[in-house]
Amino acid sequence: DVKVTQSSRYLVKRTGEKVFLECVQDMDHENMFWYRQDPGLGLRLIYFSYDVKMKEKGDIPEGYSVSREKKERFSLILESASTNQTSMYLCASSLLSGLGRPQHFGDGTRLSIL
Amino acid sequence: AQKVTQAQTEISVVEKEDVTLDCVYETRDTTYYLFWYKQPPSGELVFLIRRNSFDEQNEISGRYSWNFQKSTSSFNFTITASQVVDSAVYFCALSDNAGGTSYGKLTFGQGTILTVHP
Repeated sequence: DVKVTQSSRYLVKRTGEKVFLECVQDMDHENMFWYRQDPGLGLRLIYFSYDVKMKEKGDIPEGYSVSREKKERFSLILESASTNQTSMYLCASSLLSGLGRPQHFGDGTRLSIL
Repeated sequence: AQKVTQAQTEISVVEKEDVTLDCVYETRDTTYYLFWYKQPPSGELVFLIRRNSFDEQNEISGRYSWNFQKSTSSFNFTITASQVVDSAVYFCALSDNAGGTSYGKLTFGQGTILTVHP
């Protein structure tokens, strides 16, 4: 079974801090994704990566950046956290031939910015 | 642009009732995939089913069934004889080429919160 592990289930940070959310997958998947989930809005794609050091913006990249130095690890960075970034963050991975491939998700990180 | 709409925000039923979750999608591509995911209170999204645009056969898996109709751009999900363990948020999602290489990006609906009461 694919395992996608997010480093924290709950995280509380302060406005202006630089925040790192880490995600690791163990199935050698090429694609990795970061979403945020907000009530009534579903999941919205922030960034994704299809290879090491490659990244593409999703639908809501503003205020975020990502890093993929190793194939198994995909980090989401909040450069200067703001209260409107309080949300649930979900990481996912899939095989490169992406169309039609299910994405496998981690448990999520519930992030609160005070 | 692709879009997925789950018009039902919340549904509440009593155990053993049947319940249908609606999903309507928009895409310009002729090749696409539709998915349903379940998110229990633990938070992880669990993949339930995938259907490609060329296969309109309905599917049944135990108490779950899915009705795909291209004519109405719908991919509805029915739970028969619901149980308390079915309580979760359910998401419908679309994967298409979006005019180029999509890398399998998913466009999600807003989600439907299903509560099954004992």
